[in-house]
Amino acid sequence: GQNIDQPTEMTATEGAIVQINCTYQTSGFNGLFWYQQHAGEAPTFLSYNVLDGLEEKGRFSSFLSRSKGYSYLLLKELQMKDSASYLCAVMDSNYQLIWGAGTKLIIKP
Amino acid sequence: GAVVSQHPSWVICKSGTSVKIECRSLDFQATTMFWYRQFPKQSLMLMATSNEGSKATYEQGVEKDKFLINHASLTLSTLTVTSAHPEDSSFYICSASKPGLDTGELFFGEGSRLTVL
Repeated sequence: GQNIDQPTEMTATEGAIVQINCTYQTSGFNGLFWYQQHAGEAPTFLSYNVLDGLEEKGRFSSFLSRSKGYSYLLLKELQMKDSASYLCAVMDSNYQLIWGAGTKLIIKP
Repeated sequence: GAVVSQHPSWVICKSGTSVKIECRSLDFQATTMFWYRQFPKQSLMLMATSNEGSKATYEQGVEKDKFLINHASLTLSTLTVTSAHPEDSSFYICSASKPGLDTGELFFGEGSRLTVL
């Protein structure tokens, strides 16, 4: 079956750096997405990786290793507003999005 | 970017009634829209893929007669929860991908929180 694994919850301190990992097993691969979702709101797009390597976008970076079925989202200079759930999603060979359960990130002052 | 709007944001209804949720792409034409359901502290669950001008494709376990989807135009898809029951209470979210965008990024509506009494 298809599977996306990411930690359920993480806690970090304001101003620090946090890395949220995602491992996947899917039938085919057409890209990996990271979305941010604040409580009670719809997800918003953060990043897309289809090739191996690191994609940097401001305070957020996303890394992909297709051979390992692994990605991480790196958040730097954490701010209180970064408290949210972070969803990892993989597009399979049928271009269907397989969603992880999300990682709830708690930022403490 | 691209904007997807969903309405209503909140709806409370009595058990047995039907509720319609609208999803509109405001600045692009969406041949395909997706409907998700999300229970508290859980991930998004794809319910169905809505195709303009044709029948929706439902995921396994989703009752097509209960969750009616209509995609009558390139900018509007509707989800009707028929004969709603308390267990249908959930957060319903629609999304669409913008044609021509390489990333396949999804643009989400604001979501509709349904509470069935």
